Amino acid sequence: SQTIHQWPATLVQPVGSPLSLECTVEGTSNPNLYWYRQAAGRGLQLLFYSVGIGQISSEVPQNLSASRPQDRQFILSSKKLLLSDSGFYLCAWSVSKKSRADTQYFGPGTRLTVL
Amino acid sequence: RKEVEQDPGPFNVPEGATVAFNCTYSNSASQSFFWYRQDCRKEPKLLMSVYSSGNEDGRFTAQLNRASQYISLLIRDSKLSDSATYLCVVDPNDYKLSFGAGTTVTVRA
Repeated sequence: SQTIHQWPATLVQPVGSPLSLECTVEGTSNPNLYWYRQAAGRGLQLLFYSVGIGQISSEVPQNLSASRPQDRQFILSSKKLLLSDSGFYLCAWSVSKKSRADTQYFGPGTRLTVL
Repeated sequence: RKEVEQDPGPFNVPEGATVAFNCTYSNSASQSFFWYRQDCRKEPKLLMSVYSSGNEDGRFTAQLNRASQYISLLIRDSKLSDSATYLCVVDPNDYKLSFGAGTTVTVRA
């Protein structure tokens, strides 16, 4: 069966510090991968998605970036965090289908607080 | 206009009651529809897919109305454990899913 891991579970970082969040998927090959952010009491905001190694699509201009160095690894980074980067970061995967989305399965999330 | 709109609620219902709520979507080309459940401070989890003919999963019934572009979810015989935020999710026919902001349901004893 497929599983998705995210770490760390919680993170408290000062403004201006760098960020690296990691997501890995097991039990599937060539998944579509997604990074979302959920601010407190708000809906999910899609940040990035990837349909293959090295292929990253950005949805929202911001000081975040994403990389996919391996088939089942997705990394979210920032060089300098802002207060507004606080939130619940969720990684998700779905089966790869040409030009179509499918059911997405979420990791447990990372709760980031920027102080 | 948002791609997926939901009544945020909260819907406060007693145990055993029936609760129903809708969501509307803007893209008529949408192909797939889902309901996800999100517990407080947890990740969303798939509750059920929504099929054109409507479908049931135990106490949960989902309906799709393509003509009016809305999806509904009905929960019968509500349990305390049904308290959660329910996310309406639509596939607008590309690689991404569009998530509604959620409808909060609170079931009280």
